[in-house]
Amino acid sequence: DTGVSQDPRHKITKRGQNVTFRCDPISEHNRLYWYRQTLGQGPEFLTYFQNEAQLEKSRLLSDRFSAERPKGSFSTLEIQRTEQGDSAMYLCASSSGGLDTEAFFGQGTRLTVV
Amino acid sequence: AQSVAQPEDQVNVAEGNPLTVKCTYSVSGNPYLFWYVQYPNRGLQFLLKYITGDNLVKGSYGFEAEFNKSQTSFHLKKPSALVSDSALYFCAVRDMGNSGNTPLVFGKGTRLSVIA
Repeated sequence: DTGVSQDPRHKITKRGQNVTFRCDPISEHNRLYWYRQTLGQGPEFLTYFQNEAQLEKSRLLSDRFSAERPKGSFSTLEIQRTEQGDSAMYLCASSSGGLDTEAFFGQGTRLTVV
Repeated sequence: AQSVAQPEDQVNVAEGNPLTVKCTYSVSGNPYLFWYVQYPNRGLQFLLKYITGDNLVKGSYGFEAEFNKSQTSFHLKKPSALVSDSALYFCAVRDMGNSGNTPLVFGKGTRLSVIA
């Protein structure tokens, strides 16, 4: 296993632009999570997939945010019409088995909206 | 809804001394509890977890944590701190009270600084 991979590692965008992030989970991990982390805060849950099904979405996930996991493998998180408040580290994690198993995190994508 | 509190933003300890990083939680059902560590420019790394059974759980790098149901706490401990333990520590909980399909909720984190 090469671990959870996220791309890009850093993204600077102008306000109003759309951005898309990619997450490649550990192979055969059926669960995939997206979190957002801002300075001085712990990771905040955004959304969760089991295989290709999006099972849970946080109220933090406004209509401008959309996530997909086609074929239950990699996932993408798109933010439309970015705002300065979207600036944060976006973390992806994956796990296998049941809910008692730990999630493995990627290094994250740092988004800066200018 | 489940929540996690880490009451200390920062913990300072001398190298070789025991360390404790505090965590309390609130859930409606049974908790699944986790500790993660975050080093600069690195992703969150899993340290240990409590699911069921023995209240004292042992994890990576000599860390351990004690589950206390009556105090709803899950404090992280290490008998002898190392300078290399300096990092950001996160406690997380999953509430198994409802469908169980609840996300992992994290605390704000505690920055541990071990001084040589």
